[in-house]
Amino acid sequence: DAGVIQSPRHEVTEMGQEVTLRCKPISGHNSLFWYRQTMMRGLELLIYFNNNVPIDDSGMPEDRFSAKMPNASFSTLKIQPSEPRDSAVYFCASTFRAGGGSSYEQYFGPGTRLTVT
Amino acid sequence: AQKITQTQPGMFVQEKEAVTLDCTYDTSDPSYGLFWYKQPSSGEMIFLIYQGSYDQQNATEGRYSLNFQKARKSANLVISASQLGDSAMYFCAMRAFVGTASKLTFGTGTRLQVTL
Repeated sequence: DAGVIQSPRHEVTEMGQEVTLRCKPISGHNSLFWYRQTMMRGLELLIYFNNNVPIDDSGMPEDRFSAKMPNASFSTLKIQPSEPRDSAVYFCASTFRAGGGSSYEQYFGPGTRLTVT
Repeated sequence: AQKITQTQPGMFVQEKEAVTLDCTYDTSDPSYGLFWYKQPSSGEMIFLIYQGSYDQQNATEGRYSLNFQKARKSANLVISASQLGDSAMYFCAMRAFVGTASKLTFGTGTRLQVTL
């Protein structure tokens, strides 16, 4: 298995620029999650999708953040415009959720380290 | 709302010794799951072990075991026979199955350093 694939692995951009992070979940998984990790705030769930539909985006910090999942094998997280405080590691994770009582663990991608200068 | 508390920012253990990493949680949901993840310096998140709230027995996975005390709302991770490769950050996480289920709430993590 290829695991969860994220690209790019590292991104350095200037304040005000648009940033797009990409994720390919594990084939067959039907739930996808975007997390952000910083020293100050730890790991935060930003948004998650179930069967390509956004279920909970309450963790998205601002309107500058948006996420899409056009199909079961691809998702994007976009920041526009980016700010220095968006600098963090962004993880994508996927799992197969069979419905109530499921216990499947989330498989994480390697993360994208974003630096906004 | 769910909350995970890891009170040990850092721990040291000698190689081959056992170590317990603490985790307490708070939830009003009747059904939930508890996870432990390992994050080595390379940055990836590695799933270690899972405990369901209705599981009667404590979960074990190789050298990892979860000391689940439901009444105390604690889910401590026990690593037996520590190895140098166990040095990493360890995160406890909880997932609820009610309402907006499938959300994982993470603790702040414990940095474990295994010494010779």
